[in-house]
Amino acid sequence: NAGVTQTPKFQVLKTGQSMTLQCAQDMNHNSMYWYRQDPGMGLRLIYYSASEGTTDKGEVPNGYNVSRLNKREFSLRLESAAPSQTSVYFCAAGGLRSYEQYFGPGTRLTVT
Amino acid sequence: DQQVKQNSPSLSVQEGRISILNCDYTNSMFDYFLWYKKYPAEGPTFLISISSIKDKNEDGRFTVFLNKSAKHLSLHIVPSQPGDSAVYFCAATSNAGGTSYGKLTFGQGTILTVHP
Repeated sequence: NAGVTQTPKFQVLKTGQSMTLQCAQDMNHNSMYWYRQDPGMGLRLIYYSASEGTTDKGEVPNGYNVSRLNKREFSLRLESAAPSQTSVYFCAAGGLRSYEQYFGPGTRLTVT
Repeated sequence: DQQVKQNSPSLSVQEGRISILNCDYTNSMFDYFLWYKKYPAEGPTFLISISSIKDKNEDGRFTVFLNKSAKHLSLHIVPSQPGDSAVYFCAATSNAGGTSYGKLTFGQGTILTVHP
């Protein structure tokens, strides 16, 4: 039982490159979330998916797209990376009626 | 506009003493509050939560207090242990109308260091 897994753990991109961050959960939760963590800013919600087949914007969605491939998987795509997207990205899963969310280990992304 | 604020970036306490971490919020629609703990290079893990219908919730060494009129919550850790050294985030959500979809708004975090 792995919980929430994320790949890759680390990534360095050049400005303008694209990449997809992968997230998978084996907890059978309906909702999944993508956050970014920046110094002094806490965790900010980028996108979320309340259930399979639905996605919606969070607080800081600009420059990102998401796909809820199935109940288990929720990916985050950067189409044209910018230095401002240098951050640590966390995926989380949770039930709609339970506010407790379970986080993956994070992806540390650097855009040069 | 930071709706959840943790005004103390860091806190240092001696082992065995009490740690008190504070959190303020501005959105009066928030009705459920959580504390998460985060070690370096790991994701946050859920610690304890409280609903707005309560003013206190206890779980072992951890107690969360909620003062709705002041829009303030605090996490008490007694006694503090070196293994409690981590970043602590408070988070809040609103279930008004059932449309929150579990979205959490986080504070900036407080780094707790417990010295042996």
